[in-house]
Amino acid sequence: SQKIEQNSEALNIQEGKTATLTCNYTNYSPAYLQWYRQDPGRGPVFLLLIRENEKEKRKERLKVTFDTTLKQSLFHITASQPADSATYLCALFMDSNYQLIWGAGTKLIIKP
Amino acid sequence: EAGVAQSPRYKIIEKRQSVAFWCNPISGHATLYWYQQILGQGPKLLIQFQNNGVVDDSQLPKDRFSAERLKGVDSTLKIQPAKLEDSAVYLCASSTGTGVVGELFFGEGSRLTVL
Repeated sequence: SQKIEQNSEALNIQEGKTATLTCNYTNYSPAYLQWYRQDPGRGPVFLLLIRENEKEKRKERLKVTFDTTLKQSLFHITASQPADSATYLCALFMDSNYQLIWGAGTKLIIKP
Repeated sequence: EAGVAQSPRYKIIEKRQSVAFWCNPISGHATLYWYQQILGQGPKLLIQFQNNGVVDDSQLPKDRFSAERLKGVDSTLKIQPAKLEDSAVYLCASSTGTGVVGELFFGEGSRLTVL
């Protein structure tokens, strides 16, 4: 079955630097991949969606890449701010069974 | 536009008791999901509705969990009897899509503690 790996350890980044989070999967490439932000005590909030035929997607300071050869998606936040501190979840949509599979998330801490 | 509403936000019960969670999705969203999120883990799908029909309930522990979506709008998730391992946040989400899953809109969640 499909497995998703996100860094389980928190990622500490200095304010102003670029934060890069990784989402690796093990088996078949998903039809598309989503990234969500989750703050403590809140539900996840959608950020970006990238399809399997897209290499890169951008939205303001956010950039997502998708490499089906490496079976990996990278999520970048440029010019990071303390307000970007949160847990970031990736979710893969498998069109083989129409299921959305979630990673455990990576906690990002931006230090002033 | 109002978001996904969930209640209660917090619930503490003893094992073997029952509990019910309520969800009101975004108006017009045909698809509704119930997820279970245990601390430090990603959301796990319990059940997915398309209007008032069940699309996927393969991971719902049917011996103790039940869910319904009357008239294709509000939904209720019930646990009876609760076990210690049911302690988690129960997230409700909705989306406009049919078939292919697009952006999900989540509620704030209902945190359940089973003692």
